[in-house]
Amino acid sequence: DAGVIQSPRHEVTEMGQEVTLRCKPISGHDYLFWYRQTMMRGLELLIYFNNNVPIDDSGMPEDRFSAKMPNASFSTLKIQPSEPRDSAVYFCASSRTSGQGYEQYFGPGTRLTVT
Amino acid sequence: AQSVTQLGSHVSVSEGALVLLRCNYSSSVPPYLFWYVQYPNQGLQLLLKYTTGATLVKGINGFEAEFKKSETSFHLTKPSAHMSDAAEYFCAVSEGFQKLVFGTGTRLLVSP
Repeated sequence: DAGVIQSPRHEVTEMGQEVTLRCKPISGHDYLFWYRQTMMRGLELLIYFNNNVPIDDSGMPEDRFSAKMPNASFSTLKIQPSEPRDSAVYFCASSRTSGQGYEQYFGPGTRLTVT
Repeated sequence: AQSVTQLGSHVSVSEGALVLLRCNYSSSVPPYLFWYVQYPNQGLQLLLKYTTGATLVKGINGFEAEFKKSETSFHLTKPSAHMSDAAEYFCAVSEGFQKLVFGTGTRLLVSP
């Protein structure tokens, strides 16, 4: 299995620009999670989906952030407009409904720098 | 709501020494507990997990953890540290749902 795939791996953009991060979960997984990691705040859950439906978006910081999952194999996290404080590593993870715990598989992350 | 506390943002050991990373959790129901490892510039990787059954759980790379309900702890240990163990380690808890709550992480430094 290829694992969780994220693109791009690195993104540098200017303040005010739109940024779109992409994620392909592991085939057969029915949960998808978006996290943000910074030195100051650690690992934060932004939003997660079950069967392509958003379940909990309480971690999404502001209306500038939006996430979609149009099908089981693709999700996007969009920031519009971007700000320097959005600079972080964004991780996508996926998991499968299981009766023995809920192991999440993480992608390699997208390092976002907003100047 | 569940929460996780990891004592010590940094732990330093010598190669060959015992590794002990501490994790305490708070949960209103029997929890599922996890340890993840993050190597530089990589995503998180599962080391081990506790769901039900045996309270001593063995994971990859020689790590193990013991679930102690009375102490609400799930400490991670390894008898002999290796240079390749240098990484950041995260403890996480789930109350039987897919959502995980992560601790703030402990960076393990291994010196020769």
